[in-house]
Amino acid sequence: KAGVTQTPRYLIKTRGQQVTLSCSPISGHRSVSWYQQTPGQGLQFLFEYFSETQRNKGNFPGRFSGRQFSNSRSEMNVSTLELGDSALYLCASSFEQPPGEQYFGPGTRLTVT
Amino acid sequence: AQSVTQPDIHITVSEGASLELRCNYSYGATPYLFWYVQSPGQGLQLLLKYFSGDTLVQGIKGFEAEFKRSQSSFNLRKPSVHWSDAAEYFCAVGAYNNNDMRFGAGTRLTVKP
Repeated sequence: KAGVTQTPRYLIKTRGQQVTLSCSPISGHRSVSWYQQTPGQGLQFLFEYFSETQRNKGNFPGRFSGRQFSNSRSEMNVSTLELGDSALYLCASSFEQPPGEQYFGPGTRLTVT
Repeated sequence: AQSVTQPDIHITVSEGASLELRCNYSYGATPYLFWYVQSPGQGLQLLLKYFSGDTLVQGIKGFEAEFKRSQSSFNLRKPSVHWSDAAEYFCAVGAYNNNDMRFGAGTRLTVKP
């Protein structure tokens, strides 16, 4: 069974731009969570989607948004990028009801210049 | 909300020596506890989890962890460390019906030959 895939793996954007990251969960998994990982703040929960509905949201500004499609694939969008948004963005999928066993993708490394 | 503390930022052990990584959690109800490992440039891989039942749980790669409610701890152990175990280890706590997992700051493990 294929693992969680994230595209692109690396991205360089300029401050003020917007970006969209994509995540394809493991087949059969309906829950997708997003995390931001930085050296200073560590791993922080962004939001979680289940069956196209956002169920939980972390403490991030409204510039961070996401959605989930009927095939469980998910996207997250960051608008008006700031330098501090540079991070590794990780997507995780799970089958069970939370807190289920989460399987992480390799992440998207976003650099904002 | 739940929280996790990993007191050790960096640990160095010799190959073949035993290992214990500490994790303390804070949560008012029954916690759902996880240990993940992250190699450089990679996503997180689940080592083991505790939801209920036997307080000593076995995971992959020869790791085990013991849940001690009285000490609010979930320490990770391995009897004999291999050079390939060098990585960053994260303890996480989840809540029932909520994928807002809280991660510790991580412990970086270095293995000396």
